[in-house]
Amino acid sequence: AQKVTQAQTEISVVEKEDVTLDCVYETRDTTYYLFWYKQPPSGELVFLIRRNSFDEQNEISGRYSWNFQKSTSSFNFTITASQVVDSAVYFCALSGRIPRGTGRRALTFGSGTRLQVQP
Amino acid sequence: DADVTQTPRNRITKTGKRIMLECSQTKGHDRMYWYRQDPGLGLQLIYYSFDVKDINKGEISDGYSVSRQAQAKFSLSLESAIPNQTALYFCATIHRGNTIYFGEGSWLTVV
Repeated sequence: AQKVTQAQTEISVVEKEDVTLDCVYETRDTTYYLFWYKQPPSGELVFLIRRNSFDEQNEISGRYSWNFQKSTSSFNFTITASQVVDSAVYFCALSGRIPRGTGRRALTFGSGTRLQVQP
Repeated sequence: DADVTQTPRNRITKTGKRIMLECSQTKGHDRMYWYRQDPGLGLQLIYYSFDVKDINKGEISDGYSVSRQAQAKFSLSLESAIPNQTALYFCATIHRGNTIYFGEGSWLTVV
């Protein structure tokens, strides 16, 4: 079975601070995908990034950056110079096979981290 | 038009009533999923379908049933709704390249 752990339930920062959201995953698959989604108060899921398990390069997109470390099974997300609009719940997710070996995949989500950015 | 459309977007229903949440997609994907999100929790897989004739239970299928009427349509039913099924429900489709498309969610309240 696969599992995603987001140990930080809620984080509160002041605008312009940097903040890192942690994500640790468990899977027996050798090929998998990792995702981050943002869920604003309106409820929809906004796709942020997808990372293939074979690609360990870190990625930067504007104020967002992701640190994928296969050795520690972590896929952490950093927001630089946070803004009030970044306030949301952020989910880390893992796409793995169900059941293993059949090629069928589904997303397993972490429980989410609620980020509050204060002005 | 949205790639994945869910109806209704909001519904309040009474305990014991039957309710259906519908999902349709325009992407032509064969794989469709229903997820449930409880307040303060992540999404949990209810049912998934890889073809019209291929339907499978997820982590929390008790109390739910599904129907894949066509490749583009995947409906979730609560035969006899109960209050702890109050949640936000998401439909999703997945392309073989692992591009995932979510609907906007359906808020269901059971009173």
